[in-house]
Amino acid sequence: EIVLTQSPGTLSLSPGERATLSCRASQSVNSNYLVWYQQKPGQAPRLVIFGASSRATGIPDRFSGSGSGTDFTLTISRLEPEDFAVYYCQHYGSSLFTFGQGTRLEIE
Amino acid sequence: EVQLVESGGGLVQPGGSLRLSCVASGFTFSSHSMNWVRQAPGKGLEWVSYISSGGSTIYYADSVKGRFTMSRDSAKNSLYLQMNSLRDEDTAVYYCARVGTGIRNAMDVWGQGTTVTVSS
Repeated sequence: EIVLTQSPGTLSLSPGERATLSCRASQSVNSNYLVWYQQKPGQAPRLVIFGASSRATGIPDRFSGSGSGTDFTLTISRLEPEDFAVYYCQHYGSSLFTFGQGTRLEIE
Repeated sequence: EVQLVESGGGLVQPGGSLRLSCVASGFTFSSHSMNWVRQAPGKGLEWVSYISSGGSTIYYADSVKGRFTMSRDSAKNSLYLQMNSLRDEDTAVYYCARVGTGIRNAMDVWGQGTTVTVSS
């Protein structure tokens, strides 16, 4: 079973700065099925990136995803106040959906 | 408007049962696979179960296998999760989520969640 490990656990940055969030898989995964979600307090998750690098509908272009194999990255180029949230990576494979433990992006 | 609305959560004793429902609107429910995902208080997301668009394929997380049963009724645009032999660790907000089309099994529409509390 694949384990997704996200780092850092918490990232403290200021609006306007660049955020880099990491998701590492315990074994090589198909990047077509690597997804990123954003979740704000009291809200349901929101799809941000699918297929490792494709932005979901309505997601601004300051969000980008990259990676392959075991290492994936979500980058937010210039943080806006509404971007501060928890981000989860997720993978689908072998009849299982697996989530990482999340990275909390907080305002410094 | 594309929408998923869950219901059926509540307080139940350990060993008890509960049935969650999720009603879909604004899209062709029968064309989409669906998932249940849960989130324990203060914790991360945990996938629970998946059902294909036609209902013939169902997957479960090991943590709920043999205790939970997922089903769907396309005539009612509804998704269900029958939860038996509930444990303390099943306490969570339960979300239903749509698997999008052409987005490689990503979940693109989520309900607001329904809260299940297992406690004596």
